[in-house]
Amino acid sequence: DAGVIQSPRHEVTEMGQEVTLRCKPISGHDYLFWYRQTMMRGLELLIYFNNNVPIDDSGMPEDRFSAKMPNASFSTLKIQPSEPRDSAVYFCASSPGLWSSPLHFGNGTRLTVT
Amino acid sequence: GQQLNQSPQSMFIQEGEDVSMNCTSSSIFNTWLWYKQDPGEGPVLLIALYKAGELTSNGRLTAQFGITRKDSFLNISASIPSDVGIYFCAGPLILPNAGGTSYGKLTFGQGTILTVHP
Repeated sequence: DAGVIQSPRHEVTEMGQEVTLRCKPISGHDYLFWYRQTMMRGLELLIYFNNNVPIDDSGMPEDRFSAKMPNASFSTLKIQPSEPRDSAVYFCASSPGLWSSPLHFGNGTRLTVT
Repeated sequence: GQQLNQSPQSMFIQEGEDVSMNCTSSSIFNTWLWYKQDPGEGPVLLIALYKAGELTSNGRLTAQFGITRKDSFLNISASIPSDVGIYFCAGPLILPNAGGTSYGKLTFGQGTILTVHP
């Protein structure tokens, strides 16, 4: 079990640039979640997918953020254009079922927007 | 909304001491989860509690689901340096018409930062 794999681990970009974060969930997990962690707001759920379909994106901050899951083993979170206030650690997590075991988190992507 | 309040915000203890932290809410939760986040890593589940009054242990960790279903505590006995990290309580939003508990929208507390001095 390789766990949830995120890339890159660190991303530094300039304001206005497009940023793409990547996630590979644990094989067999039907649910995938994107969280953002900041000192001020803690861990916030941005969006989650079930069987590759977005179920709830109410946590996505604004239209600059978008997430896709083209297949069961890959998801992206894109920010376009990026702003300094987007600086945070972004976590991907997966779960085998909504009614079953809790979330398995990746090690996160630390994003810095200058 | 369903908010979780964790205390204390931070703790500085000596190796070997016991640690206690808690989590309270104004709303009822059907499940309480405790996660630990090591520096540079994602949160990892420590203990899950599913019934009011339940007391569960995992090695040196002990957690309890409060009778009122609005609180939980986590104790760590005989702390060691690798206990350093951020401890989060979390509870899933309750979907009132779904006949169960959704783990999809976890609400997290703000975390307790634990520092252990050798």
